[in-house]
Amino acid sequence: AQSVAQPEDQVNVAEGNPLTVKCTYSVSGNPYLFWYVQYPNRGLQFLLKYITGDNLVKGSYGFEAEFNKSQTSFHLKKPSALVSDSALYFCAVSLSGNTGKLIFGQGTTLQVKP
Amino acid sequence: GAGVSQSPRYKVAKRGQDVALRCDPISGHVSLFWYQQALGQGPEFLTYFQNEAQLDKSGLPSDRFFAERPEGSVSTLKIQRTQQEDSAVYLCASSPIIAGPSYNEQFFGPGTRLTVL
Repeated sequence: AQSVAQPEDQVNVAEGNPLTVKCTYSVSGNPYLFWYVQYPNRGLQFLLKYITGDNLVKGSYGFEAEFNKSQTSFHLKKPSALVSDSALYFCAVSLSGNTGKLIFGQGTTLQVKP
Repeated sequence: GAGVSQSPRYKVAKRGQDVALRCDPISGHVSLFWYQQALGQGPEFLTYFQNEAQLDKSGLPSDRFFAERPEGSVSTLKIQRTQQEDSAVYLCASSPIIAGPSYNEQFFGPGTRLTVL
C-alpha cells in the first residue's frame, strides 16, 4: 500500500535560518511528489511538485525540495525562513497513470520565530 | 479568477441527519476530487470525477456517502444518517487536466467543516 510519512509533528526554526521539513514515501511504481501548505481557515495551496527530471525542484515563495529515489525521500527546504512561513505543511504522493488521487502525510507544523 | 468554492463553510448536524456539501470547481476543470480531513490528520481521498463520470470511489468509507457531478461542473457530496465519526473537514479539489504524464497540481477549496453532535 502507498503511504507518506512526515516524521516530525512540528519544526521550530528562527527567522533567517534554513529550514527542512522531512518527507518519506512508500509506493510501488513511479511517484509524483507534491508539497502543499495550509494556512488557518484556508484551503491547501500548492508549493511544488516532482514529476520527472532534475531531482531538485523549485517552487513558490522560495521553497525547494529534493527527490532522493534511493532514500525514498522528498524533503522540503528553504535557505532563509520567514515568520510568514509559519503554517501546516503536507507532503503528498500520486502514482503515474493513476487517477491523480493524492495520498497525504499527516502534516508538519512549521513555527518560525522572530 | 475565482478559485474552488465550497458551501456551506460550516455545518452542524445532529446524528442521523442527512447533509449535502457543495463544491464549485474552477470553470473548465475536468478533474474533481473529494477528500476528508480529520482533526490533526492529512486529507484522505474519498472519490474522483472526470467530467461527470465517477471513476474512483474507493475512498468512500461507507454506503452512507454518495457523490455526484451530473453536468460535469458542480459536485455534491451527500452523507446520509450522519454519525459522530463523520465529523471532519471535507475538501474539494479540481484540476484542469486528466492525470497522466503532464500531471498537474490540484486546486483546493477552503473546505466544509462538518460537526455531528
